[in-house]
Amino acid sequence: GQNIDQPTEMTATEGAIVQINCTYQTSGFNGLFWYQQHAGEAPTFLSYNVLDGLEEKGRFSSFLSRSKGYSYLLLKELQMKDSASYLCAVRDRKDDKIIFGKGTRLHILP
Amino acid sequence: ETGVTQSPTHLIKTRGQQVTLRCSSQSGHNTVSWYQQALGQGPQFIFQYYREEENGRGNFPPRFSGLQFPNYSSELNVNALELDDSALYLCASSITLSSADTQYFGPGTRLTVL
Repeated sequence: GQNIDQPTEMTATEGAIVQINCTYQTSGFNGLFWYQQHAGEAPTFLSYNVLDGLEEKGRFSSFLSRSKGYSYLLLKELQMKDSASYLCAVRDRKDDKIIFGKGTRLHILP
Repeated sequence: ETGVTQSPTHLIKTRGQQVTLRCSSQSGHNTVSWYQQALGQGPQFIFQYYREEENGRGNFPPRFSGLQFPNYSSELNVNALELDDSALYLCASSITLSSADTQYFGPGTRLTVL
């Protein structure tokens, strides 16, 4: 079966760094996505990892370890506008579906 | 702005009614997926269309059906609405079926079933 776990909520301070973890189980891994979703809005694409290692994109980085079924999203120099839900999603090789986790609500404190 | 549009923005229906939601893909995208997102949850995959054919389906009953048109726009139809169908319905388009392709989401349709 498929299963994606990520923390329900996290809190961090403006200017700090936060790491949001995601673990997954899938019958056939074919890529992992991170999306940001502000309340009442559609998810917006942040990153895509299919090979092990770190992908850096400005203040956001995403890491993948396929052997451990593990990814994290690292957000640096946090800004108030980063308050949002962060969704981890995995594409299953067997049927090409993208399965989303429940999301991590990140609260940024001034 | 992703170039993916959905209509209507909000909709209120009563139990037992039928509803049709619409999605226009980003230009050049031939693949569209539909998701249901309940409050506080992640999006759940309903089904995907590629070049007017259904290309995969999640764990949703047959009363959830869809269509993709030659211009790659799409519809989601839900019959015999139930209270639990109240959710945000998202469509997402991508260039092709390739696993590396990113999906771009529309703003969603908020459906309330009373």
